[in-house]
Amino acid sequence: KAGVTQTPRYLIKTRGQQVTLSCSPISGHRSVSWYQQTPGQGLQFLFEYFSETQRNKGNFPGRFSGRQFSNSRSEMNVSTLELGDSALYLCASSFSGAQETQYFGPGTRLLVL
Amino acid sequence: EDQVTQSPEALRLQEGESSSLNCSYTVSGLRGLFWYRQDPGKGPEFLFTLYSAGEEKEKERLKATLTKKESFLHITAPKPEDSATYLCAVNSPYNTDKLIFGTGTRLQVFP
Repeated sequence: KAGVTQTPRYLIKTRGQQVTLSCSPISGHRSVSWYQQTPGQGLQFLFEYFSETQRNKGNFPGRFSGRQFSNSRSEMNVSTLELGDSALYLCASSFSGAQETQYFGPGTRLLVL
Repeated sequence: EDQVTQSPEALRLQEGESSSLNCSYTVSGLRGLFWYRQDPGKGPEFLFTLYSAGEEKEKERLKATLTKKESFLHITAPKPEDSATYLCAVNSPYNTDKLIFGTGTRLQVFP
């Protein structure tokens, strides 16, 4: 069974630009979560989607947004990029939520210059 | 507020030298504790899920145990390929739809 896939794998942007990252969950999984990983803060929760609805959101500014489509694929968008947004963005999927095992994708490495 | 603390931050072992990694947690009712392994530049790879105190899970050289306050990841006779960062995360009713992660233990195993 195919794992979680994320595109693109690497991205370089400049301050002020916006970016969209994509995540395809494991087949049959309806919950998709996004995390930001930085050396200083570790893994921080961004938001979680289930059946196209955002159920929870972490402590990130409104520049970070996401959505989920009817096929459970998810996208996250970051507008007006800042240098501090440079990070590894990870997507994880599960059947119904974080109370069960979440499987992570390889991540998208974003560098903001 | 749910919290996860992992220790040590870094661990250097000789090949074959067994040891344990610790994950202490403070949650308002544990729903699940998860161990992941992460190699540099890659996403976390799932290892174990533990749900109740006393539960144990094993996989090759790794064994995870759970008490009411902490979890241990025991590594028996490690090999260089076990070198990675090991992450612990918890889920609770207070944080229903997300995992709270510790900062990880960076393990290096030398031949």
